[in-house]
Amino acid sequence: NAGVTQTPKFRILKIGQSMTLQCTQDMNHNYMYWYRQDPGMGLKLIYYSVGAGITDKGEVPNGYNVSRSTTEDFPLRLELAAPSQTSVYFCASSYPTETSPYEQYFGPGTRLTVT
Amino acid sequence: TQLLEQSPQFLSIQEGENLTVYCNSSSVFSSLQWYRQEPGEGPVLLVTVVTGGEVKKLKRLTFQFGDARKDSSLHITAAQPGDTGLYLCAGTYNQGGKLIFGQGTELSVKP
Repeated sequence: NAGVTQTPKFRILKIGQSMTLQCTQDMNHNYMYWYRQDPGMGLKLIYYSVGAGITDKGEVPNGYNVSRSTTEDFPLRLELAAPSQTSVYFCASSYPTETSPYEQYFGPGTRLTVT
Repeated sequence: TQLLEQSPQFLSIQEGENLTVYCNSSSVFSSLQWYRQEPGEGPVLLVTVVTGGEVKKLKRLTFQFGDARKDSSLHITAAQPGDTGLYLCAGTYNQGGKLIFGQGTELSVKP
């Protein structure tokens, strides 16, 4: 199993450009999440999904969009990139069970710079 | 808004020393997790605590969940350079498995 994979690993965008951050998991997890991590700020939840076709906003959704057409994929879309979106983005997945109700598995991250 | 405050934010110690990292909130969490993150990688789960007063040990690491389920601590005995990393606490407070993360504690253990 590859776990959670994210592409690209690094990206530089100009202000106003758009891009999609890809996230795929091969663990058949129904829950998936997108976070951003800024220095000294921990991780902030952007969007999450509890299953294919269902998405919901997290703490910091403005400027982002998501879709969940399959169990495996959960892409994050930035439509009009702004410098405030410079961050490291992490995708995570989970499959709540009785013994591991809350464990999330994280991808390696995408480092995005908007200039 | 649920908040988790971690302290200290930075910690630099010598190999062999002991240390404690704290995670505090004014809210009650249904569970609390501790993650460790190395540079260039995503966080990796160390432990989950769900019962007030619960203590879990993972080799030299001891995790405690407060009786009121509002706070937690991570104690490392005889720290090693391999313990260097970012330690994050995260709390779950409702369904959907959503986590609220603390700001993190950057630990550096010097040989």
